[in-house]
Amino acid sequence: RKEVEQDPGPFNVPEGATVAFNCTYSNSASQSFFWYRQDCRKEPKLLMSVYSSGNEDGRFTAQLNRASQYISLLIRDSKLSDSATYLCVVIFSGGGADGLTFGKGTHLIIQP
Amino acid sequence: DTAVSQTPKYLVTQMGNDKSIKCEQNLGHDTMYWYKQDSKKFLKIMFSYNNKELIINETVPNRFSPKSPDKAHLNLHINSLELGDSAVYFCASSSHGGNTEAFFGQGTRLTVV
Repeated sequence: RKEVEQDPGPFNVPEGATVAFNCTYSNSASQSFFWYRQDCRKEPKLLMSVYSSGNEDGRFTAQLNRASQYISLLIRDSKLSDSATYLCVVIFSGGGADGLTFGKGTHLIIQP
Repeated sequence: DTAVSQTPKYLVTQMGNDKSIKCEQNLGHDTMYWYKQDSKKFLKIMFSYNNKELIINETVPNRFSPKSPDKAHLNLHINSLELGDSAVYFCASSSHGGNTEAFFGQGTRLTVV
């Protein structure tokens, strides 16, 4: 069974703080990993891909741990505009309908 | 220039009706999807189609059927609508046979009354 698990939150975090989310996936043959962001009543949008070596985009850092089958997202110096739901996405081997499997999302609320 | 567009944005209809949602992508992608997001906000894949193969999530009722007139379009037809079909439906597309990130349309909020 191919599953992606996330802590649904909500995470209530003061502005300027650092926050981290983890996501675990069930299939060791998974091949691609992403973080998406979804704002209320909007479509999911790609935030960043997650590479084996880890990658950084401004205040956002994503890391992959294949041995433990989890990926993480770190947000530094959080802004009010970071409030959203963050979705972990895994493409399982073979793509197609088994691919692009979404976690249920982690709800983040940045408080002033 | 909208990459993935779907219409209508809102759809309110009565139980038992048949309705369609249209989706078009201008990204030249070879794979298109339909997702359903229910009231609990969980995004669940319904169909994947890459102009050679249709893959159906086995939990999707056969009242739902995708139709692809060409590579850039994947429309969703729903027959005999039920109250439980109320949700937001998202179309998405990706490249390389579905092995890359997907880009989503703005969603269609379907309400069945």
